[in-house]
Amino acid sequence: DSGVTQTPKHLITATGQRVTLRCSPRSGDLSVYWYQQSLDQGLQFLIQYYNGEERAKGNILERFSAQQFPDLHSELNLSSLELGDSALYFCASSVGGGLRSYNEQFFGPGTRLTVL
Amino acid sequence: AQKITQTQPGMFVQEKEAVTLDCTYDTSDPSYGLFWYKQPSSGEMIFLIYQGSYDQQNATEGRYSLNFQKARKSANLVISASQLGDSAMYFCAMREGGTSGGSYIPTFGRGTSLIVHP
Repeated sequence: DSGVTQTPKHLITATGQRVTLRCSPRSGDLSVYWYQQSLDQGLQFLIQYYNGEERAKGNILERFSAQQFPDLHSELNLSSLELGDSALYFCASSVGGGLRSYNEQFFGPGTRLTVL
Repeated sequence: AQKITQTQPGMFVQEKEAVTLDCTYDTSDPSYGLFWYKQPSSGEMIFLIYQGSYDQQNATEGRYSLNFQKARKSANLVISASQLGDSAMYFCAMREGGTSGGSYIPTFGRGTSLIVHP
């Protein structure tokens, strides 16, 4: 158990809908990262937050948005869902937010999103 | 161009033997980090080992070692004394340092599926 929690574990929804994925980092970790893992795209970094501020942005679609709250939990919002958004969404956390923080990430168990 | 290439989609190894999983990378940034992750069938991503581009020695973590050959741009993972529990997908990843216009964003290879036979 990494100490990172993600809810829900599974989510099934329809095209055009909007969903929210939630992540609670390990106690004491200030950074949260979101990743998408799909069969055709592999594992893709989406976005990083550090202590409430966006720190780095990857291949995140405009239909997706994220935020990190004062209590450091994070939410990833996916809207106007398409079939291709079906994937495993991971959250990870680390203490720091800089260059070396990627060495110290701990991943959550993931949320499996299925869009029908 | 692919930044991280894992050429072995699948590998088989006998229990207790050593196995090498290949990873080559492409970057012009002098500062970068290389990672290996393990993903068992249960789905979670487990960090295994890290190598910085300026590290003089190859990284080791228990039964895992990273064979870092900078000139060849390779970062192969060596698992010694394989165990049945090592059966999983293994991902190589790179994070560039940002000093040459790169970013901290990590990029991942497509993974290698390792099966350990008893």
